[in-house]
Amino acid sequence: EVQLVESGGGLVQPGGSLRLSCAASGFTFRNYWMHWVRQAPGKGPVWVSRINQDGNKRGHADSVKGRFLISRDNAKNTLYLQMNGLRAEETAVYYCAREGEPGAPDYWGPGTLVTVSS
Amino acid sequence: QSALTQPPSASGSPGQSVTISCTGTSSDVGGYTYVSWYQQHPGKAPKLLISEDSKRPSGVPDRFSGSKSGNTASLTVSGLQAEDEADYYCSSYAGSDNFVFGTGTKVTVL
Repeated sequence: EVQLVESGGGLVQPGGSLRLSCAASGFTFRNYWMHWVRQAPGKGPVWVSRINQDGNKRGHADSVKGRFLISRDNAKNTLYLQMNGLRAEETAVYYCAREGEPGAPDYWGPGTLVTVSS
Repeated sequence: QSALTQPPSASGSPGQSVTISCTGTSSDVGGYTYVSWYQQHPGKAPKLLISEDSKRPSGVPDRFSGSKSGNTASLTVSGLQAEDEADYYCSSYAGSDNFVFGTGTKVTVL
């Protein structure tokens, strides 16, 4: 059974940093592109970033470029999102997702809540 | 990157069909065959319904179908059931390793 479990969320002050992790199991992690998507309370999903199988090709939304960095450790079956310079408007549930179909995440984790507030 | 435009709401009676539109530009929806559709129930993660404009992943009922014409994609839910009441989002590849989601449509089963 495919499982994705995010961790690392919590309360952080504006301008602060957090590192999210996503533990993957039930599939061959190194064979898939992976995504981070966030969803603010009561709002729709917003794509954040994507990384290829080897970790040498990344894409980030313009709104997070230069502040967020997606990475992965295939030996540990784990996806990461390093978030720096966090802003209040980035308060959201952050999901990791597997791109099982071309251009489309098919399995999503339950998400981890990041709250940016003083 | 601007969000794709969806109608805020749609509704239908059980057994009827409802169609949701998703309008983008030639830089996203119209430029690639990578529109996907998701269903989201309250408090849950999105669930993939359609990929590559019109392909249905295994396990998704054939009541759900996708299509596209120019810069507008559509999702049709046929034979509406009570459990189809949810929020629906489209998404598209937007080039340069970027993706964009739609504004979302709340479907109500009357």
